[in-house]
Amino acid sequence: GNSVTQMEGPVTLSEEAFLTINCTYTATGYPSLFWYVQYPGEGLQLLLKATKADDKGSNKGFEATYRKETTSFHLEKGSVQVSDSAVYFCALTSWSAGGFKTIFGAGTRLFVKA
Amino acid sequence: EAQVTQNPRYLITVTGKKLTVTCSQNMNHEYMSWYRQDPGLGLRQIYYSMNVEVTDKGDVPEGYKVSRKEKRNFPLILESPSPNQTSLYFCASSSRQGGYEQYFGPGTRLTVT
Repeated sequence: GNSVTQMEGPVTLSEEAFLTINCTYTATGYPSLFWYVQYPGEGLQLLLKATKADDKGSNKGFEATYRKETTSFHLEKGSVQVSDSAVYFCALTSWSAGGFKTIFGAGTRLFVKA
Repeated sequence: EAQVTQNPRYLITVTGKKLTVTCSQNMNHEYMSWYRQDPGLGLRQIYYSMNVEVTDKGDVPEGYKVSRKEKRNFPLILESPSPNQTSLYFCASSSRQGGYEQYFGPGTRLTVT
């Protein structure tokens, strides 16, 4: 079945450091890939998405590229801020005869120190 | 304002007492899902619905029921809650037109004693 694996946290960085959170997936067909962010006490919200191979999603300085050859969708940001402290989830959505399914990674908690 | 609402936000109940968590969206989305979030496990899909009267099991459906009688509502029903259903629950909606990005409700924290 489909699966998503993302790097374990927590990740602790100083402000203005470079961020990478790794995400790899296994899936049949051509899923759409997403990064969601969850701030304390809130629901998840979409950070960025990519719907086909080689697409790059970007938002608020974050980027991720859909790499079919390496089945990866790594999240990057060049200079993190304290306000980026949150939990980040990689997810894939796929469709098949079995229906419409979304699989989430376990989440990576990011702490950014001033 | 486009939103997904859930009620209640917090619920403490006892084993075996039937409960319903409501979910409503105002975006006319055809897809709706329920997830539970547990530490170290991320979010796991309980049930989803592709449209009115069309529902199907996700990865962890045991102990849950859903219905989709109206497009905007997708209640989650626990007929006989057990302590292993203590969790944080999220409802979400999406549309094909929107590229299937999901809009999440604020969550319902359920404790079953």
